[in-house]
Amino acid sequence: EAGVAQSPRYKIIEKRQSVAFWCNPISGHATLYWYQQILGQGPKLLIQFQNNGVVDDSQLPKDRFSAERLKGVDSTLKIQPAKLEDSAVYLCASSLSAPPTGELFFGEGSRLTVL
Amino acid sequence: GDSVTQMEGPVTLSEEAFLTINCTYTATGYPSLFWYVQYPGEGLQLLLKATKADDKGSNKGFEATYRKETTSFHLEKGSVQVSDSAVYFCALSYYGNKLVFGAGTILRVKS
Repeated sequence: EAGVAQSPRYKIIEKRQSVAFWCNPISGHATLYWYQQILGQGPKLLIQFQNNGVVDDSQLPKDRFSAERLKGVDSTLKIQPAKLEDSAVYLCASSLSAPPTGELFFGEGSRLTVL
Repeated sequence: GDSVTQMEGPVTLSEEAFLTINCTYTATGYPSLFWYVQYPGEGLQLLLKATKADDKGSNKGFEATYRKETTSFHLEKGSVQVSDSAVYFCALSYYGNKLVFGAGTILRVKS
């Protein structure tokens, strides 16, 4: 079974530029999550989708971050304009939604460096 | 809000030593508790979980018991191996969604 795929693995940009990350979850997983992991901290949830609807985006900085999950499969997370403090690893995860078990399957992450 | 606190690392042990990684939580209700592990170059993966007080989760020789009275979920292993070197994250969630993670503890095992 293929795992969660993410790209790109690494990205370096200047502040105020834009960047997009892509995620393809495990086939059949209805729930998709984007987490931000800053160095030395645990992952923090940015947004959770159930199929193509948003369940929770309370911690997403909506003035610069956006995410979509068209057709309820793959997803894109965008940052525009980027700030220095956005340097982090962006993790995508997916899970079966019924019933939720707390077992999330994570991709390897996309490491963003903002200069 | 809900939060998870883990012991700071790195924790450095010799092979076959006993491992304890402390985890305590603050929660308004009765969450499920998890340990996730991240091996070098890989994504996070679930190691074990417990869904209610006094439950013990176990996997690959690791164990953790859900202690409501001390709000703790300490990870233990009787004899660590070099292959256990990784970052360990304690986490909580309600109804299996929206994991709240601790900061992670780096474990290094020397042969």
